[in-house]
Amino acid sequence: GQNIDQPTEMTATEGAIVQINCTYQTSGFNGLFWYQQHAGEAPTFLSYNVLDGLEEKGRFSSFLSRSKGYSYLLLKELQMKDSASYLCAVSPRGGGGNKLTFGTGTQLKVEL
Amino acid sequence: DVKVTQSSRYLVKRTGEKVFLECVQDMDHENMFWYRQDPGLGLRLIYFSYDVKMKEKGDIPEGYSVSREKKERFSLILESASTNQTSMYLCASSSGQGIDEQFFGPGTRLTVL
Repeated sequence: GQNIDQPTEMTATEGAIVQINCTYQTSGFNGLFWYQQHAGEAPTFLSYNVLDGLEEKGRFSSFLSRSKGYSYLLLKELQMKDSASYLCAVSPRGGGGNKLTFGTGTQLKVEL
Repeated sequence: DVKVTQSSRYLVKRTGEKVFLECVQDMDHENMFWYRQDPGLGLRLIYFSYDVKMKEKGDIPEGYSVSREKKERFSLILESASTNQTSMYLCASSSGQGIDEQFFGPGTRLTVL
């Protein structure tokens, strides 16, 4: 089965850096996704990691360690608009019908 | 841009009614998915489809069925709605190629009275 853990809530200050952690235990692994979801809206894709290491995309970076079953999403230069839920999702297999298992999400609140 | 649309943003139904939720994607994607999202439980996969007329059960298929007669359309059916099916329902699609990220529709907030 799959088990994905991430903190329920985090609070950070505008302009700061925040790291959102995700640990997973899955039967088979074919990649880890991060999605952002603003209140009342659909999740949108942020990043994807399949190999160990850091993937950087502007203010957002995502890290993966497959041996530790661990990932984090790093948000730099926080802005108020970054207040949202961040969802960690694992792809347990590849090929067609690439379904995902999602964590429960981390609600990030950015304050002045 | 990929566009995934869902037939309704808000829906109110009564217990025992048959409910149809429709999802359409315009990017010729192979894969389509139905999730429900509940506070504290996150996104849970109900059913998915990797081809026309093909379907596979997700983690919580009980009480639901699906139909995919055309590539662009994936329907979720509640045969006899119950109050515990009150939830936000999200449809998604993916190409089946490359990173294969999923693109989500805006969601349907279903309330069963």
